[in-house]
Amino acid sequence: GENVEQHPSTLSVQEGDSAVIKCTYSDSASNYFPWYKQELGKGPQLIIDIRSNVGEKKDQRIAVTLNKTAKHFSLHITETQPEDSAVYFCAASPGSNYQLIWGAGTKLIIKP
Amino acid sequence: DTAVSQTPKYLVTQMGNDKSIKCEQNLGHDTMYWYKQDSKKFLKIMFSYNNKELIINETVPNRFSPKSPDKAHLNLHINSLELGDSAVYFCASSQGNHYGYTFGSGTRLTVV
Repeated sequence: GENVEQHPSTLSVQEGDSAVIKCTYSDSASNYFPWYKQELGKGPQLIIDIRSNVGEKKDQRIAVTLNKTAKHFSLHITETQPEDSAVYFCAASPGSNYQLIWGAGTKLIIKP
Repeated sequence: DTAVSQTPKYLVTQMGNDKSIKCEQNLGHDTMYWYKQDSKKFLKIMFSYNNKELIINETVPNRFSPKSPDKAHLNLHINSLELGDSAVYFCASSQGNHYGYTFGSGTRLTVV
């Protein structure tokens, strides 16, 4: 079955710098890759997603890239701000059922 | 006007008790989920219903029983609570299996 690995587990960056979180997946049939942000005391919230027919997608300071050959996808946050501090999760959908396979999460810390 | 609402937000109970968590979504989605998030933040799927039909039933103790009276509601009943059941439980919904999930704000269950 599908397996998703996420790195790093913790990432600390200076405010204003960029942050990159990487995920790899194992099932080449996976075709949908969402990213979620979870703030303290709240449920995960979808921030951006990408489908397998697209290599890159951008939404203001957030972008996601997908490399199907290497089976990895990454979240890029530019000009980080204190409110970006949260736990970020990647996920992959094998497409054959209703299940998302989740990464273990990355705690992003923005240092003032 | 909460999209996915779950109650209660906090639940403290003694070992051996039976408790229920309720979830309702007003997004018109056809699929609902229960997730368990442990202290390390890992998200583990428990159950999923599509149009009131159980489609994902992961390996969880049979003390956990989901019930979906209609497409907009998915409740979770837990019998004979144990210390290890302490976690945050999230309800989520989606339209089909290729779109993002909307999560509730979680129920923090503490078994003492």
